[in-house]
Amino acid sequence: DTAVSQTPKYLVTQMGNDKSIKCEQNLGHDTMYWYKQDSKKFLKIMFSYNNKELIINETVPNRFSPKSPDKAHLNLHINSLELGDSAVYFCASSRDRSLEQYFGPGTRLTVT
Amino acid sequence: GESVGLHLPTLSVQEGDNSIINCAYSNSASDYFIWYKQESGKGPQFIIDIRSNMDKRQGQRVTVLLNKTVKHLSLQIAATQPGDSAVYFCAAPARGSYIPTFGRGTSLIVHP
Repeated sequence: DTAVSQTPKYLVTQMGNDKSIKCEQNLGHDTMYWYKQDSKKFLKIMFSYNNKELIINETVPNRFSPKSPDKAHLNLHINSLELGDSAVYFCASSRDRSLEQYFGPGTRLTVT
Repeated sequence: GESVGLHLPTLSVQEGDNSIINCAYSNSASDYFIWYKQESGKGPQFIIDIRSNMDKRQGQRVTVLLNKTVKHLSLQIAATQPGDSAVYFCAAPARGSYIPTFGRGTSLIVHP
């Protein structure tokens, strides 16, 4: 009965590869998010998405793309992975753009 | 956009003491502030929020104080317990936005 789940929890891959991280929420929320947390714990918004609009942080490289097959899922696809992409990625959701967000457990991505 | 920052990267306290975590923000137009707690290996978890028309809000063992004059807010934890050990983030959205900007986080270490 996990509220926000992500898979995989750990992802180790080589530079240049393409990978996806999946996120699912069973809270009935209509807004989902992706965050990147660096080694210093700095948490930065990457995307915000609901069924009406996608908001992209302009600093996010276009190698990153969110894909939402339905309201309960927001997957993160990353092309041509780089060393600097190594971080922990968190998915979150909220009800109708509420600032009270529910976070998933995170996916630790390591690019070698 | 909004800029938020915590005053100290690390705060060490003894079990049973009260803890105070401070945060400063830059945008005087911010009207909503949130505190999150992130335990090791987990995603951030919503603790408490406060709107700009309030100076104080209390939860269970936690109190948030907002001083709009100096653009400062604090999170007070009463009778700190080992389970309170975590990284604490303050966050605030830019006015009219629903996407919070997170501060860099304060690591609270509770010594038994």
